[in-house]
Amino acid sequence: KNQVEQSPQSLIILEGKNCTLQCNYTVSPFSNLRWYKQDTGRGPVSLTIMTFSENTKSNGRYTATLDADTKQSSLHITASQLSDSASYICVVSGLKTNAGKSTFGDGTTLTVKP
Amino acid sequence: DGGITQSPKYLFRKEGQNVTLSCEQNLNHDAMYWYRQDPGQGLRLIYYSQIVNDFQKGDIAEGYSVSREKKESFPLTVTSAQKNPTAFYLCASSIDRASGGAIEQFFGPGTRLTVL
Repeated sequence: KNQVEQSPQSLIILEGKNCTLQCNYTVSPFSNLRWYKQDTGRGPVSLTIMTFSENTKSNGRYTATLDADTKQSSLHITASQLSDSASYICVVSGLKTNAGKSTFGDGTTLTVKP
Repeated sequence: DGGITQSPKYLFRKEGQNVTLSCEQNLNHDAMYWYRQDPGQGLRLIYYSQIVNDFQKGDIAEGYSVSREKKESFPLTVTSAQKNPTAFYLCASSIDRASGGAIEQFFGPGTRLTVL
């Protein structure tokens, strides 16, 4: 069964600090991995998309890495801001499946405190 | 939230009633999806449609129904058969079908349904 596991479940950091969120998956054969940010009560917004051949991708202060051999990804947030407080969701798609059949992680809830 | 709109933002339903959640997109996307999100859980797929007049059941389709009469619209009906309908419902769309690759999904703002 395809699975996506995220850790930690929740995280509290001080404003200005860096943090790293983890995503491990068992989806095979692998197609792509996406990170989303979801503010409370709103829809997820895409941060990064990576395919098999990509091992790092940045979007401003967000940098995602992918190790397809170990089936692990991380999302690094640099110089955190209060607006980074949200849930971060890792989503993995397999080959020959559309985006709707992707496997979603349960998310990591990040709280940034002043 | 891209070019996807969902309405209403909040919806209250009495037990035994059917309700319909609206989802409209102006992105010219072929595929549309409905997900359910419960606290602390990942998104679960209810239904998806890859083309007009065609749709497929997702992982938790029981108690739900959909239609896809127009490319821009994919309404979801929560029927009285759905025993635990209180949840946050998200609609999404994407440009591609079942071709793999880096398909990006765009999500709507969501509808929070509460059964009274």
